[in-house]
Amino acid sequence: AQKVTQAQTEISVVEKEDVTLDCVYETRDTTYYLFWYKQPPSGELVFLIRRNSFDEQNEISGRYSWNFQKSTSSFNFTITASQVVDSAVYFCALSEAMGGSQGNLIFGKGTKLSVKP
Amino acid sequence: DAGVTQSPTHLIKTRGQQVTLRCSPKSGHDTVSWYQQALGQGPQFIFQYYEEEERQRGNFPDRFSGHQFPNYSSELNVNALLLGDSALYLCASSLAWVQGRKKDTQYFGPGTRLTVL
Repeated sequence: AQKVTQAQTEISVVEKEDVTLDCVYETRDTTYYLFWYKQPPSGELVFLIRRNSFDEQNEISGRYSWNFQKSTSSFNFTITASQVVDSAVYFCALSEAMGGSQGNLIFGKGTKLSVKP
Repeated sequence: DAGVTQSPTHLIKTRGQQVTLRCSPKSGHDTVSWYQQALGQGPQFIFQYYEEEERQRGNFPDRFSGHQFPNYSSELNVNALLLGDSALYLCASSLAWVQGRKKDTQYFGPGTRLTVL
């Protein structure tokens, strides 16, 4: 069975601190996709990144970076120099690859990040 | 470029009633997925529609049904509402094929908040 675990329920930091959100996943598939979504108070899930299981290269996008390690089944997300606007609930998600296509998303329970000025 | 839109924004119903939620996909997308997000939880997959047919279904009872129209918009219907159906219902759209390759990251709408009294 597929499962995503986000052990950190809530994190509170002060602006400009770096913060890492943890994500551990379980799957028996050899081909799968991993995602991070951001959910601000408005409720809309905002897509941040997608990774397939064959691409373990870490990625940096501005203040955001992602560390994918298949050996530990982890896909962690780091925000550098956090800002108040980063306050939101962050979800890690997993989907199997069905003939190369993305199946339904399996979400973790989310990590609520509060960045205080 | 219009994103995913959902209507209504909020809805209040009583137990036993029926409800219809609507979703218009992002411009150019042809696949619609529906998710239920209970308070404090990650979204859970209900079903996915492509070419006007239900392609995948999550672990939800038959009270949950859907439809996709020729213009790719979709409806989610829930019959015999229960208190436990109170949740944020999220619609996500994606594109099945791009230049002969499957490319289907899901993009979410703002959701419909359903309250069952």
